[in-house]
Amino acid sequence: EIVLTQSPGTLSLSPGERATLSCRASQSVSSSNLAWYQQKPGQAPRLLMYGASSRATGIPDRFSGSGSGTDFTLTISRLEPEDFGVYYCQQYGRSPFTFGQGTKLEIK
Amino acid sequence: EVQLVESGGGLVKPGGSLRLSCAPSGFTFSSSTMNWVRQAPGKGLEWVSGMTASSTYIYYADSLKGRFTISRDYAENSLYLQMSSLRAEDTAVYYCVRGAWNGDWFFDLWGRGTLVTVSS
Repeated sequence: EIVLTQSPGTLSLSPGERATLSCRASQSVSSSNLAWYQQKPGQAPRLLMYGASSRATGIPDRFSGSGSGTDFTLTISRLEPEDFGVYYCQQYGRSPFTFGQGTKLEIK
Repeated sequence: EVQLVESGGGLVKPGGSLRLSCAPSGFTFSSSTMNWVRQAPGKGLEWVSGMTASSTYIYYADSLKGRFTISRDYAENSLYLQMSSLRAEDTAVYYCVRGAWNGDWFFDLWGRGTLVTVSS
């Protein structure tokens, strides 16, 4: 099983700042089969990125993803108030399709 | 409207069984990979099980040890999760989730979830 470790656990930032979230895999993730999701309280998660760097439909371009192998990053260039929540990475290169433990992005 | 609606959650005693259902609408269910993902209260996401559109390939999380069975009924246009030998640690919101349009195993559509509580 591929274990995903996200850091930091909590990120406290202000609107307008840049956010950098990390996801590290215990083994190489094949073909950059890594996705990112955003979850707000009381809601289901929402797909943000797939293929490590492709934005899902309707996701604004302030969100970007990068990385390959075992190290991946989600960057939000200028935080908007609606960007706060919990972010999860997920690898889908090999079953079981595991998630990271999440990074909570909170308003400073 | 494109959506997934789960049902069947509730309170069950340890050792008991429960079957969850998922009703898709607004897209071609028979062409979609489908999955179940769960989230324990206050915790992160855990992928539970998934199956390809044709039901040819079925996968489970290692931790389930054969207690859960995923299935789909094309005539009824529904996805199911049969859960048995339930434990307190199975308490979670269970989401019905659609796999990607290209057959990859990331998830582009989520239901609102159904809560399963395992307690005596």
